[in-house]
Amino acid sequence: IAGITQAPTSQILAAGRRMTLRCTQDMRHNAMYWYRQDLGLGLRLIHYSNTAGTTGKGEVPDGYSVSRANTDDFPLTLASAVPSQTSVYFCASSVRAGASETQYFGPGTRLLVL
Amino acid sequence: GQNIDQPTEMTATEGAIVQINCTYQTSGFNGLFWYQQHAGEAPTFLSYNVLDGLEEKGRFSSFLSRSKGYSYLLLKELQMKDSASYLCAAMDSNYQLIWGAGTKLIIKP
Repeated sequence: IAGITQAPTSQILAAGRRMTLRCTQDMRHNAMYWYRQDLGLGLRLIHYSNTAGTTGKGEVPDGYSVSRANTDDFPLTLASAVPSQTSVYFCASSVRAGASETQYFGPGTRLLVL
Repeated sequence: GQNIDQPTEMTATEGAIVQINCTYQTSGFNGLFWYQQHAGEAPTFLSYNVLDGLEEKGRFSSFLSRSKGYSYLLLKELQMKDSASYLCAAMDSNYQLIWGAGTKLIIKP
């Protein structure tokens, strides 16, 4: 059982380019999340999905979009990358959205936008 | 606004005990999580508290006071492998986690 996988592991991207970060889970979790982690700041929620077919905006959604066509996959797209999107991106999932639900994290994607 | 405060860095000695504090302010409250994150790796779940009191899990314990908006993580019998960042996160009324910046714990032999 792999849990949550993310691809790519790392990427250097030219500003203005479009990029999709992939996230796949095999735990049949209903809820999935995308966070970014920057030095000196806590994890910040970008987008989330409580169940397949639905998505919602988190704290820092601007410049990012997501889709949830099925239970397993939750890709994050940067339409036109900017240097401020340089960060470590973590995908996470939980059995469902709600109190006491533990979130499990993927290994992360390290993105550098030049 | 919503806010989580925890110390940036702490140092402790192998075999000792350390307490990492966290204060939170959120719109609604649905529990307090602690995660461990080794450098370059993903956060991993340590504990969850929603009721006041102490939850013990092996060498790690977590405490919550809802009236004070306060939690701590207690690590006993410290080992070198405990060197990591410890992240405090409070769940708000929308079931979203609000994260602290993390406490980097340095263990010295």
